[in-house]
Amino acid sequence: NAGVMQNPRHLVRRRGQEARLRCSPMKGHSHVYWYRQLPEEGLKFMVYLQKENIIDESGMPKERFSAEFPKEGPSILRIQQVVRGDSAAYFCASSLTSGRTDTQYFGPGTRLTVL
Amino acid sequence: GNSVTQMEGPVTLSEEAFLTINCTYTATGYPSLFWYVQYPGEGLQLLLKATKADDKGSNKGFEATYRKETTSFHLEKGSVQVSDSAVYFCALSDKDTGNQFYFGTGTSLTVIP
Repeated sequence: NAGVMQNPRHLVRRRGQEARLRCSPMKGHSHVYWYRQLPEEGLKFMVYLQKENIIDESGMPKERFSAEFPKEGPSILRIQQVVRGDSAAYFCASSLTSGRTDTQYFGPGTRLTVL
Repeated sequence: GNSVTQMEGPVTLSEEAFLTINCTYTATGYPSLFWYVQYPGEGLQLLLKATKADDKGSNKGFEATYRKETTSFHLEKGSVQVSDSAVYFCALSDKDTGNQFYFGTGTSLTVIP
């Protein structure tokens, strides 16, 4: 059973460009979470999605960031008009259900560098 | 609100030394507690978890006990190996306040031969 897949692993963008990060959850998982890890910091929650629905986006910046999890295909985290402060590692996690005791399984991350 | 506080790193130990990484938490409900490990350039891997008070999670020689009275979930290992060198994150999940995990800032461990 393949784990959580993310691509690309490394992404370089110039200021003002768009970044698209992809996440395929573990097989059978319909709950997807995105986290951001800034240098020397822990992971910060951004958004929680189920198929075709955003359930909790309380951690998403209000502008330039969006996320989707379509019926078919991977979840996408989209950052428009990137700025240097967006440079970070972005991790996707998935879970089988959304209970309090459920484990979130993490992908290898996408390391975004904004020049 | 919910938060996790971990001991500051980095931690450097000799092989076969005893390891303790402290973790305390604040939660509004009844959280589940987790330890994740991150090897260089990789994502987070679940190391162990505990879902209620007095539960002990264990895996690969690591263990941690959920202590509600001290709101702690300290990670311990009796004899560390060079291959344990990584960053360790304590986290909590509290369904009462949503589905997100709350992470500590991580503790970097280096084990030297």
